[in-house]
Amino acid sequence: GAGVSQSPSNKVTEKGKDVELRCDPISGHTALYWYRQRLGQGLEFLIYFQGNSAPDKSGLPSDRFSAERTGESVSTLTIQRTQQEDSAVYLCASSPSSWGMSSGRSDTQYFGPGTRLTVL
Amino acid sequence: GQSLEQPSEVTAVEGAIVQINCTYQTSGFYGLSWYQQHDGGAPTFLSYNALDGLEETGRFSSFLSRSDSYGYLLLQELQMKDSASYFCAENTGGFKTIFGAGTRLFVKA
Repeated sequence: GAGVSQSPSNKVTEKGKDVELRCDPISGHTALYWYRQRLGQGLEFLIYFQGNSAPDKSGLPSDRFSAERTGESVSTLTIQRTQQEDSAVYLCASSPSSWGMSSGRSDTQYFGPGTRLTVL
Repeated sequence: GQSLEQPSEVTAVEGAIVQINCTYQTSGFYGLSWYQQHDGGAPTFLSYNALDGLEETGRFSSFLSRSDSYGYLLLQELQMKDSASYFCAENTGGFKTIFGAGTRLFVKA
């Protein structure tokens, strides 16, 4: 595809239900990121994938949050037993490669349109 | 700790120049990125600095001073369409990108 896509674009759920959010990165991008953005606030890092491994899960807010990635393709973010404070836009980004520790090079992150999650 | 500080709001007039500052406090700093986000849209990459100095990309420039843990984004010849939120983001060696809370820029006619 031309860019990063996410589905659904909007999700309304009841407190206590589980939700699954999907991200399709740009083809060939090895790195994939999930962020959360509450209304009027900055981006909160959740998790990073290099291929299908997640070297850094430190941003996941609680054990209700989990994510997985199939190869260098689709990723899903699952939130179990949703709470009202989970309401936010969940953004996915991909980049061609990860940071090089020696080079310190930055690879631009290309963001998807996000999934707006509302927990009633 | 790891935190970035940037002003919450900046207002400027069309055609003017505006500077959005960002200070960071962290160890393992690799570089500072800037992203633009229009209301309801996704963040888009603007610029990146790993070394001290100024990087210029059209009307936008970004500056970094590692010794001062400080950077800024400079927008010239402001246009109404530049009204958006601007985020500085710190790249660390652990692949994590830490974003600031964002600066909302209002461009007035």
